[in-house]
Amino acid sequence: TQLLEQSPQFLSIQEGENLTVYCNSSSVFSSLQWYRQEPGEGPVLLVTVVTGGEVKKLKRLTFQFGDARKDSSLHITAAQPGDTGLYLCAGDPFGNYKLTFGKGTLLTVNP
Amino acid sequence: EAGVVQSPRYKIIEKKQPVAFWCNPISGHNTLYWYLQNLGQGPELLIRYENEEAVDDSQLPKDRFSAERLKGVDSTLKIQPAELGDSAVYLCASSLGGGELFFGEGSRLTVL
Repeated sequence: TQLLEQSPQFLSIQEGENLTVYCNSSSVFSSLQWYRQEPGEGPVLLVTVVTGGEVKKLKRLTFQFGDARKDSSLHITAAQPGDTGLYLCAGDPFGNYKLTFGKGTLLTVNP
Repeated sequence: EAGVVQSPRYKIIEKKQPVAFWCNPISGHNTLYWYLQNLGQGPELLIRYENEEAVDDSQLPKDRFSAERLKGVDSTLKIQPAELGDSAVYLCASSLGGGELFFGEGSRLTVL
């Protein structure tokens, strides 16, 4: 059983469209992180959400942490080809610095 | 400031051969991680170091994998002997006190 379930697994859209990807768990997290990984590169941190119900915005990206701190979503407005990549959510459910990653959502934005 | 540096970027070996990967973390980062990433999957933790001490190696297959972090800076991950199923990307990351992880570009291993 995957601790963090991400959906959809794959998403292919046209430039300019909006999209939302999800990260769900049955466990409570003190915080969740979102990373983006481009082909041939390591993951890069986008944001950390720490408070239930928190919403953080990073330009066209909006991150939300669920009220119960078990889930999170990432919404991208007017997607650009440069947004293409693998979006990973990660959390440390036991507070022991063992960051667990979901399988990711592979996003392709076509020009 | 230099990021996490890994080498080699790519390695192709035949099964049963040994292989080693090297990681130089960001200067001053006391925590170092080795992750394994299979195609289409998220990274999976192999081992975590706090300075020179391996504080979590529960996911490291110790029959064939070994790691060391001498002097609490650079680290080496070794596989001996390699198996076909070891083909993957091996990611090194570092952090300051368990905060944000900074990843290297990874070492892509292909075992034939």
